[in-house]
Amino acid sequence: TQLLEQSPQFLSIQEGENLTVYCNSSSVFSSLQWYRQEPGEGPVLLVTVVTGGEVKKLKRLTFQFGDARKDSSLHITAAQPGDTGLYLCAGDNYGQNFVFGPGTRLSVLP
Amino acid sequence: ETGVTQTPRHLVMGMTNKKSLKCEQHLGHNAMYWYKQSAKKPLELMFVYNFKEQTENNSVPSRFSPECPNSSHLFLHLHTLQPEDSALYLCASSETSGKIYEQYFGPGTRLTVT
Repeated sequence: TQLLEQSPQFLSIQEGENLTVYCNSSSVFSSLQWYRQEPGEGPVLLVTVVTGGEVKKLKRLTFQFGDARKDSSLHITAAQPGDTGLYLCAGDNYGQNFVFGPGTRLSVLP
Repeated sequence: ETGVTQTPRHLVMGMTNKKSLKCEQHLGHNAMYWYKQSAKKPLELMFVYNFKEQTENNSVPSRFSPECPNSSHLFLHLHTLQPEDSALYLCASSETSGKIYEQYFGPGTRLTVT
């Protein structure tokens, strides 16, 4: 069974600070997605990474896929209160064996 | 644009009731999914339908019965549920013709079993 671990589990920071959250597994994935979920809503897709070593940027968010396609990181620069939410990573193997991590709950204080 | 819709958004039901959750996707995708999200647990994949055919059933109790009449609609029929079934039930859809299976989620149905 493939498992994804995320760290930290909780993170509370001040507006303007930088942060990095991690998604790790002992398994290889064909692709990995990052989502943000707000209370009472479904997860919203942020990015998909496919190639080992790939880096994608989405405004102040930088996503990296590990060379071995087993892990990923999300770095947020100059965090804002609007970044608050549950950040989830998810991996799959060409549409099979979808698995989600437990998430990192981020709180950005004004 | 509301790509994936779910109704109802909230549902309270007794253990002897029968109810159904509905999901509709307007994205032209051919695969649909049901997930369960409980407090302090990762999202759990329940069922997968690809071109209306069920391709995955992750050991879900028979009190949960999925139905997929076409690629745009997905139902989850509920009967004789237990209090531990209270959770947020999420529907998602994706395209499966390429190598990347990005899932798009609905807002979920918050289910409370009393």
